[in-house]
Amino acid sequence: ETGVTQSPTHLIKTRGQQVTLRCSSQSGHNTVSWYQQALGQGPQFIFQYYREEENGRGNFPPRFSGLQFPNYSSELNVNALELDDSALYLCASSSLDTQYFGPGTRLTVL
Amino acid sequence: AQSVTQLGSHVSVSEGALVLLRCNYSSSVPPYLFWYVQYPNQGLQLLLKYTSAATLVKGINGFEAEFKKSETSFHLTKPSAHMSDAAEYFCAVSSRSGGSNYKLTFGKGTLLTVNP
Repeated sequence: ETGVTQSPTHLIKTRGQQVTLRCSSQSGHNTVSWYQQALGQGPQFIFQYYREEENGRGNFPPRFSGLQFPNYSSELNVNALELDDSALYLCASSSLDTQYFGPGTRLTVL
Repeated sequence: AQSVTQLGSHVSVSEGALVLLRCNYSSSVPPYLFWYVQYPNQGLQLLLKYTSAATLVKGINGFEAEFKKSETSFHLTKPSAHMSDAAEYFCAVSSRSGGSNYKLTFGKGTLLTVNP
């Protein structure tokens, strides 16, 4: 059974640019959640996708958007990058009450 | 609204000593509670979870946690620390709320160091 995978591992962007992060969910899981983890902090919920529809959103601006595909993989898009967007972005997939995390994408905004 | 408080951002123990990491939660509905571990430059690994069954929950790597509703606590323990336990530990609470299925609210984490 393949676990949750994310790509790329690391990414460096400059302010104002746009970025797309990708996540492949664990086999059999139809729900994907995205979290932002700033340095020295706990992860913060960005949003969740269930069967290709957004199913809840945290306190993040609209320039954070996402997609879920029919195979339940997902993308996180961030427009107009700001310095404070530098963080580890974690994807988690779930089928019931437990979320399983991928290794994360480290985004650095210069 | 839900919240998690982890008491102690940094805990240091000797190898072989008891590990106790504290977590208190706030939730307006019956909570599901989780402990995750994060090793440097890695994602989160599930250690154990409480989902309204037995209040004493056993997890991987010898860790366990006890759900105490009266104290709104879910402390993580391990009888004997090993060097490989050194990592950051996160307590999290979830429930179905705000349209999200079981979104997680995390504490700020506790960094565990193990001294030889």
